[in-house]
Amino acid sequence: DGGITQSPKYLFRKEGQNVTLSCEQNLNHDAMYWYRQDPGQGLRLIYYSQIVNDFQKGDIAEGYSVSREKKESFPLTVTSAQKNPTAFYLCASSMGTYRDTQYFGPGTRLTVL
Amino acid sequence: GQQLNQSPQSMFIQEGEDVSMNCTSSSIFNTWLWYKQEPGEGPVLLIALYKAGELTSNGRLTAQFGITRKDSFLNISASIPSDVGIYFCAGHTESGAGSYQLTFGKGTKLSVIP
Repeated sequence: DGGITQSPKYLFRKEGQNVTLSCEQNLNHDAMYWYRQDPGQGLRLIYYSQIVNDFQKGDIAEGYSVSREKKESFPLTVTSAQKNPTAFYLCASSMGTYRDTQYFGPGTRLTVL
Repeated sequence: GQQLNQSPQSMFIQEGEDVSMNCTSSSIFNTWLWYKQEPGEGPVLLIALYKAGELTSNGRLTAQFGITRKDSFLNISASIPSDVGIYFCAGHTESGAGSYQLTFGKGTKLSVIP
């Protein structure tokens, strides 16, 4: 079964702690993305990667970091510098061609206590 | 950045009714995508549109890429309870640098009354 997996589904952290969200895809897609979703809002791009070992900041990258060491994996770290980290985080992937379609994982809900 | 205006924000309809929602922008888009998101899940692609004027159907869903390339609409015919969710439009703008990034509308929340 091809698809995108995100883990964990729910994540709780204390203020001041870093936390890493996992995203894995077996679609052989070159490009991967991280979005943040807040209630009643559209999706906002945090980081994206068009190829292994390369990534670019999106619209709201402050307080987040990523790595892309493998084609299949694009983990997102929410650092303590992120002032309001409680949100629903979505990972997506695409073939990486011009105007291609993005496919989403099931999401991780992060709550800061 | 680019903005998409999606309307209406929410809809309450009776089962069996038809639904229409749309997205508009002041900028030209090269692609229009429509996604559905159910509570606690990721968005699922419903329809992708790539050419101005294109009209595409997926079962009871029909979407069109506006001729001006600045708008798109999604229609759902004969709604059923499982149509409940949030529908997002998204698109790629014309600039090459932005072609990998999608701009999203804020969504239309659909509720179906049995």
